[in-house]
Amino acid sequence: GIQVEQSPPDLILQEGANSTLRCNFSDSVNNLQWFHQNPWGQLINLFYIPSGTKQNGRLSATTVATERYSLLYISSSQTTDSGVYFCDGRAGGTSYGKLTFGQGTILTVHP
Amino acid sequence: GAVVSQHPSRVICKSGTSVKIECRSLDFQATTMFWYRQFPKQSLMLMATSNEGSKATYEQGVEKDKFLINHASLTLSTLTVTSAHPEDSSFYICSAYRSGTYGEKLFFGSGTQLSVL
Repeated sequence: GIQVEQSPPDLILQEGANSTLRCNFSDSVNNLQWFHQNPWGQLINLFYIPSGTKQNGRLSATTVATERYSLLYISSSQTTDSGVYFCDGRAGGTSYGKLTFGQGTILTVHP
Repeated sequence: GAVVSQHPSRVICKSGTSVKIECRSLDFQATTMFWYRQFPKQSLMLMATSNEGSKATYEQGVEKDKFLINHASLTLSTLTVTSAHPEDSSFYICSAYRSGTYGEKLFFGSGTQLSVL
């Protein structure tokens, strides 16, 4: 299967700072998602972004499918952004929901 | 928005007992649900795909007889950890797949922390 490498593994920020998280994939993907797991374990689907760029408030994501990577941008970070960010890439034909998460980026935002 | 309810949120049980975890899609029908397991400070691992009205599909290495999955209706999937042992202690999360007019999306339950003594 496709291997997912996320970087950095850990990130510590001051409130208000910007950050970029990255996912690299070992092979071509045509389904890519970003997720956030808050410190209490709740997972939220942030973006479904097989290619191009999407924005949702302070968050945006860009996937360059031909180069097998995706970036998640967090601007003006807030303490509520803390948690773990996972990405998942699926090859063509694989079930949409059958996820194999990367190891994640642990983000800590200090006030 | 769509909500997935997972209960209980936390359970402590004695070794040898069975524990049932419920995952409900509250405002949409989910023909497919997924069960994951997460150890502390680790990523989620897909355990099985739960299909309404048919047998679950288990990932390699997951014991079918240990982790019983039932998806008897379009809004409910259950995971039963049978004869639980301390090594089964973990955080279990379900997700429900919604497709249709509003697009495809996965929604997650809030997780169940299982502690086996």
